[in-house]
Amino acid sequence: DTGVSQDPRHKITKRGQNVTFRCDPISEHNRLYWYRQTLGQGPEFLTYFQNEAQLEKSRLLSDRFSAERPKGSFSTLEIQRTEQGDSAMYLCASSAALTPNTEAFFGQGTRLTVV
Amino acid sequence: AQKVTQAQTEISVVEKEDVTLDCVYETRDTTYYLFWYKQPPSGELVFLIRRNSFDEQNEISGRYSWNFQKSTSSFNFTITASQVVDSAVYFCALSGGYNNDMRFGAGTRLTVKP
Repeated sequence: DTGVSQDPRHKITKRGQNVTFRCDPISEHNRLYWYRQTLGQGPEFLTYFQNEAQLEKSRLLSDRFSAERPKGSFSTLEIQRTEQGDSAMYLCASSAALTPNTEAFFGQGTRLTVV
Repeated sequence: AQKVTQAQTEISVVEKEDVTLDCVYETRDTTYYLFWYKQPPSGELVFLIRRNSFDEQNEISGRYSWNFQKSTSSFNFTITASQVVDSAVYFCALSGGYNNDMRFGAGTRLTVKP
């Protein structure tokens, strides 16, 4: 495994349903990030973890969103009671916290469509 | 507040032309980092370069070069002798402090025609 892996790659769900995405970071990376990207826009920061600790959350992350990284390895992002506005690409990235602002490596994303 | 502006939404060039992608940033941090990422049609963001605010030396990597100018808050990216495989969306990003939450621009879609 040489990269960040995300599952599933695509998810179609009905409005009001809950969805969960998984991210497996590069194995030696202790920082993990979630971003959201809508069509024609750059990625928007949602939250990040250092090991198992969630250190920062964007105001974009409403109370319907929750992220976990229970053992400091893989992470999950859950969206409850999905809305059509949640349709986007959800990107996960990881980095090694060797120096400040080390470059992050991204997965291929999970594309969510809420119908 | 941190902000990244990529004023060029779309650029189209013919293969072998040189092309420059503009990036202008705003930050109040004295220490900050700038990045360029490439997003090909497959969707995965590919890291290209990171610069810190104390290093204004321009960098060249093959056909790619970057011009960082603090005086104009710009970090422009030039592709020399463009190729069809360079077609992608290119994002400039900024982060400050230790938290590493990058702020991305809206991206520039580059199309290189044969």
